[in-house]
Amino acid sequence: KAGVTQTPRYLIKTRGQQVTLSCSPISGHRSVSWYQQTPGQGLQFLFEYFSETQRNKGNFPGRFSGRQFSNSRSEMNVSTLELGDSALYLCASKQVSFFGNTEAFFGQGTRLTVV
Amino acid sequence: AQSVAQPEDQVNVAEGNPLTVKCTYSVSGNPYLFWYVQYPNRGLQFLLKYITGDNLVKGSYGFEAEFNKSQTSFHLKKPSALVSDSALYFCAVRDFLNRDDKIIFGKGTRLHILP
Repeated sequence: KAGVTQTPRYLIKTRGQQVTLSCSPISGHRSVSWYQQTPGQGLQFLFEYFSETQRNKGNFPGRFSGRQFSNSRSEMNVSTLELGDSALYLCASKQVSFFGNTEAFFGQGTRLTVV
Repeated sequence: AQSVAQPEDQVNVAEGNPLTVKCTYSVSGNPYLFWYVQYPNRGLQFLLKYITGDNLVKGSYGFEAEFNKSQTSFHLKKPSALVSDSALYFCAVRDFLNRDDKIIFGKGTRLHILP
């Protein structure tokens, strides 16, 4: 079974630009979450999508948005990039269980550098 | 809100010695706890989880974790460390409060295994 796939692996953008990151979850996983990882802040939750609907959202400005398609693939968009948006962006997918006992599986991440 | 704390930023252990990476949690209700490992420039890999049952949970790569309800701890352990275990380790808790189904991560502990 293929793992979580994130594209691209690396991106360099200029301040003020926008960027779109893509995530393909493990087959059968309908929940996709996004995290931002920086040395100073650690792993911070951005949002989660399930069945094309945003189910949870972290404390990030509205410049960060996402969506999920009917095949569970997800995209994350950051508009008006700032230097502080430089980070590793991780996508995770999981099966949704009523008991909440399923673990998330992560992609290798997209390293975004804003210059 | 649910949270986990990893009190050590870094742990150094000699190869062949037992290792422990500490994690304490704060949850309402029954905790769902996880350990993940991250190698350089990679995503997070799932190691093990505690949902219910035995307090000693066995996971991948010879790792295990001990759930202690009275001390609200979930320490990661391995009887004999390998140099290849050097990585960044994250403890995490499933936040089920208010039907929010997101995973909250600790800040991570960098494990150095000295040859």
